[in-house]
Amino acid sequence: NAGVTQTPKFQVLKTGQSMTLQCAQDMNHEYMSWYRQDPGMGLRLIHYSVGAGITDQGEVPNGYNVSRSTTEDFPLRLLSAAPSQTSVYFCASSYLRTGGEQYFGPGTRLTVT
Amino acid sequence: EDQVTQSPEALRLQEGESSSLNCSYTVSGLRGLFWYRQDPGKGPEFLFTLYSAGEEKEKERLKATLTKKESFLHITAPKPEDSATYLCAVQANSGGYQKVTFGIGTKLQVIP
Repeated sequence: NAGVTQTPKFQVLKTGQSMTLQCAQDMNHEYMSWYRQDPGMGLRLIHYSVGAGITDQGEVPNGYNVSRSTTEDFPLRLLSAAPSQTSVYFCASSYLRTGGEQYFGPGTRLTVT
Repeated sequence: EDQVTQSPEALRLQEGESSSLNCSYTVSGLRGLFWYRQDPGKGPEFLFTLYSAGEEKEKERLKATLTKKESFLHITAPKPEDSATYLCAVQANSGGYQKVTFGIGTKLQVIP
């Protein structure tokens, strides 16, 4: 099993550009989530999904969109990048629909200039 | 609002010097408390889930315990490969919101 995979590993965007961070898992997990990790702030939940076709907002959803058309994939879209979105982004999945025990991907380091 | 506070922020130990990391939490109805390990440049790696006060879990040199207000991660005779940031997280019984609140972490360095 590859577990949770994320692409790209690094990305630099200019303010106003849009892009999609990819996330896939091969563990048949229903629950998937996106977090951002910033120095001194810990991991913060952006969006999560409890199954295909079902998504919901987390703690910091503004400026981000998600969709879940398959169990395996959960892409995160930045609509119009801002410097405040410079961060490390992690995708995670869980076999629990409550999202308790989560398995994280390797992360995407995003810089917005 | 759910809160998680971890202490110390950083800890430096000699190899073999046992110690404990603390995670204090404020949550209305604990569904679960989680410990993760994060190596530099990598995603967090799940270690333990604790559900109720008095519960303990062990894995190699790590032992996690839980009370009604805090959790401890005890590290016995640590080795340099135990160096990492250890994250604590809590999940509350707050309706349908499947939110997990993370602490900032304790950065552990074990010196040979």
